[in-house]
Amino acid sequence: QKEVEQNSGPLSVPEGAIASLNCTYSDRGSQSFFWYRQYSGKSPELIMFIYSNGDKEDGRFTAQLNKASQYVSLLIRDSQPSDSATYLCAVKDTGGFKTIFGAGTRLFVKA
Amino acid sequence: NAGVMQNPRHLVRRRGQEARLRCSPMKGHSHVYWYRQLPEEGLKFMVYLQKENIIDESGMPKERFSAEFPKEGPSILRIQQVVRGDSAAYFCASSPRGGNEKLFFGSGTQLSVL
Repeated sequence: QKEVEQNSGPLSVPEGAIASLNCTYSDRGSQSFFWYRQYSGKSPELIMFIYSNGDKEDGRFTAQLNKASQYVSLLIRDSQPSDSATYLCAVKDTGGFKTIFGAGTRLFVKA
Repeated sequence: NAGVMQNPRHLVRRRGQEARLRCSPMKGHSHVYWYRQLPEEGLKFMVYLQKENIIDESGMPKERFSAEFPKEGPSILRIQQVVRGDSAAYFCASSPRGGNEKLFFGSGTQLSVL
């Protein structure tokens, strides 16, 4: 059973700080990795994707990928209260067609 | 609205009834995925469809659940003889093609079984 593991949190950071969210995955052959944000009672929304080892930056968000360690992370700089949400790590299954999601990490940004 | 459309938003059924959930993908998208989410849990894959074809149904229970995506009209997730354990949020997502597949989600259907 291929898995995506995340710390459920909650992770609490003060406004303006860096929030660091982590994820590990079991499928060594995975090539596509995604971060989705889900506000309470709402649907998931794609915020970052990364396919190659290293860092990818988009505004306040940086995704980091280390395929050798099977590790993906998301950094949120200058965290804002509006960033408070659940962040879902997702990995494309190499053996099929589905995207496998972690259980999510709840982030609270305190004003 | 060019987004993924799901309806109804809320659906209440009594045990033993049938539930039909509908999903219209984004314009230009021909790939539809259904996921189920229980409270405080992640999204669990159920089924992946392209027009008129079920590609991967490995996450769908073998009994009572079925899905279709006809040539015309929305994708339908059908749950027969619902039980309380079927109560969950059901999300549909679409993508324009296979491959790396960034998913665009609808607003979901909250199914409550009494």
